[in-house]
Amino acid sequence: DIQMTQSPSTLSASVGDRVTMTCRASQSISSWLAWYQQKPGKGPKLLIYKASSLESGVPSRFSGSGSGTEFTLTISSLQPDDFATYYCQQYNSYWTFGQGTKVEIK
Amino acid sequence: QVQLQESGPGLVKPSETLSLTCTVSGGSISSYYWSWIRQPPGKGLEWIGYIFYSGSTSYNPSLKSRVTISVDTSKNQFSLKLSSVTAADTAVYYCARMYNNYFDYWGQGTLVTVSS
Repeated sequence: DIQMTQSPSTLSASVGDRVTMTCRASQSISSWLAWYQQKPGKGPKLLIYKASSLESGVPSRFSGSGSGTEFTLTISSLQPDDFATYYCQQYNSYWTFGQGTKVEIK
Repeated sequence: QVQLQESGPGLVKPSETLSLTCTVSGGSISSYYWSWIRQPPGKGLEWIGYIFYSGSTSYNPSLKSRVTISVDTSKNQFSLKLSSVTAADTAVYYCARMYNNYFDYWGQGTLVTVSS
């Protein structure tokens, strides 16, 4: 099994901040990584696929980078709607998710 | 806009079979892969399995012995059965569409509690 580890588990930030979170894979997954945003009571929403490709309709303040085993999701200027939990997910071998990074108001 | 909606009992007794259905609207179930994913309360997401519209399936090895996913293209629905459930199977269950191996559309989820 490929394990996905996200850090930090919680991130406190203010509106307008630049926010970065990390996802590490237990073995190389090339660029087969997606990022999702989840709000309470809702299903996850796709933000990024293939590590750095922005899903249609997702604001350009979201960006993804990385390959191999280390990946990052960056929000360039945090907006009120962005307070949520973010999950990474690998699709190199089966499908596994990280444990999530919760972005909360500072 | 594709929409997915999970339905089924919210309470299942231990040792019984959990059954859920996902109804797809706003698009055809044909030509895509469709998955079930679950999230225990306060925990992360776990992929359960997928089905292609033609009926071919793949399951999470950790659940394979207890999972069956089926499809009914005439109703634009696919279904999940999970047998011999325990409290560890208590979770919010999501259905999702797979596109190029990632999940681009999700349902809002349904909570299934396993309790006597």
